[in-house]
Amino acid sequence: GAGVSQSPSNKVTEKGKDVELRCDPISGHTALYWYRQSLGQGLEFLIYFQGNSAPDKSGLPSDRFSAERTGGSVSTLTIQRTQQEDSAVYLCASSPPTHYYGYTFGSGTRLTVV
Amino acid sequence: AQSVSQHNHHVILSEAASLELGCNYSYGGTVNLFWYVQYPGQHLQLLLKYFSGDPLVKGIKGFEAEFIKSKFSFNLRKPSVQWSDTAEYFCAVKDGGYQKVTFGTGTKLQVIP
Repeated sequence: GAGVSQSPSNKVTEKGKDVELRCDPISGHTALYWYRQSLGQGLEFLIYFQGNSAPDKSGLPSDRFSAERTGGSVSTLTIQRTQQEDSAVYLCASSPPTHYYGYTFGSGTRLTVV
Repeated sequence: AQSVSQHNHHVILSEAASLELGCNYSYGGTVNLFWYVQYPGQHLQLLLKYFSGDPLVKGIKGFEAEFIKSKFSFNLRKPSVQWSDTAEYFCAVKDGGYQKVTFGTGTKLQVIP
């Protein structure tokens, strides 16, 4: 596609429920990243996928968070048993392998846990 | 681990004023440096980047940034801001050899007409 597509754009969920967030990167971009943007916290790295290599999961805040990338394209970020502190904007970005042109970001999913 | 500091959280300027936003990082090895901008209601987009060569880099919309290795800094500048520059600006650093990019907490710039 022309850009990075994320869905849903907004999600309100009850505490304790599971949520799935989807990212469809730019075609041909082998690298895919998830970040979390909280008020006043900047962008917090969550996970990184590069081609068929094992993902870098070093930023996932707890074992309630997981992500997968099927077929080297679409990625799903899953948050189990959501907590109020999970409320944030979840951003997906993709890039070619060299990173020379920086990331292309999606518009994000605003998650609100009530 | 790499960390990125943006000292100004909220900056208010009048149109035509000069802008300088500070950015410092902690890791002293080979780095790639970026400034991203997020206009109201829009997604993050790349403003400019430094990979190698001339430490003074020019980006879109008249912005420039200077990489000073000895100071671990990559400050963003613009000689004369416009109302349309109102946005949030993020400094970001990629450590050489790694793919992860670390972002600062952002600076909100408000330009008053």
